[in-house]
Amino acid sequence: SQQGEEDPQALSIQEGENATMNCSYKTSINNLQWYRQNSGRGLVHLILIRSNEREKHSGRLRVTLDTSKKSSSLLITASRAADTASYFCATPWFDKIIFGKGTRLHILP
Amino acid sequence: EPEVTQTPSHQVTQMGQEVILRCVPISNHLYFYWYRQILGQKVEFLVSFYNNEISEKSEIFDDQFSVERPDGSNFTLKIRSTKLEDSAMYFCASSELSGGADTGELFFGEGSRLTVL
Repeated sequence: SQQGEEDPQALSIQEGENATMNCSYKTSINNLQWYRQNSGRGLVHLILIRSNEREKHSGRLRVTLDTSKKSSSLLITASRAADTASYFCATPWFDKIIFGKGTRLHILP
Repeated sequence: EPEVTQTPSHQVTQMGQEVILRCVPISNHLYFYWYRQILGQKVEFLVSFYNNEISEKSEIFDDQFSVERPDGSNFTLKIRSTKLEDSAMYFCASSELSGGADTGELFFGEGSRLTVL
């Protein structure tokens, strides 16, 4: 299976701190995506990083990709209460996109 | 901003009954997907659909499931004879590009919660 695995499964941090989530995957990919899911809602695309990119930024998000280690990280800087959500990495596999199990991030006030 | 819409938002049904979940993808998208998520668990791929036919399906997508695009705008998921274990949130998604080499961003609907009693 191409499914990515996020680490940690759950993370609680104080508002204002940085949050880092990791994703490992099993086979070669040409890109990797990160999505966010607020409780009970649909998934929302955050960022896509291609295999020839090592790092990508979008606002307070920073994503890295290490194809040699088959891993990616998502860093959220200066966290806010609104960042409380589940975060999933997603990888392409034939004609579908496979999601990991997600990291549940909780921002404490 | 264009969005994927799903109906109903919540459906309660008796075991053995047929259920149809409806989705209206973003109009210029070509690739359509159904995923499901059992409460608090991972998002599982069910089926992908392109050019009016299934392009890929998972082991979960057995003979009791079917999809169709009856009128060029709606995209439906039918579960013929529901089981207790079908209780989950079902998400529709659409994309301009496929899940393959030119992977595109998936746009998700807000989901249909199915409760089978």
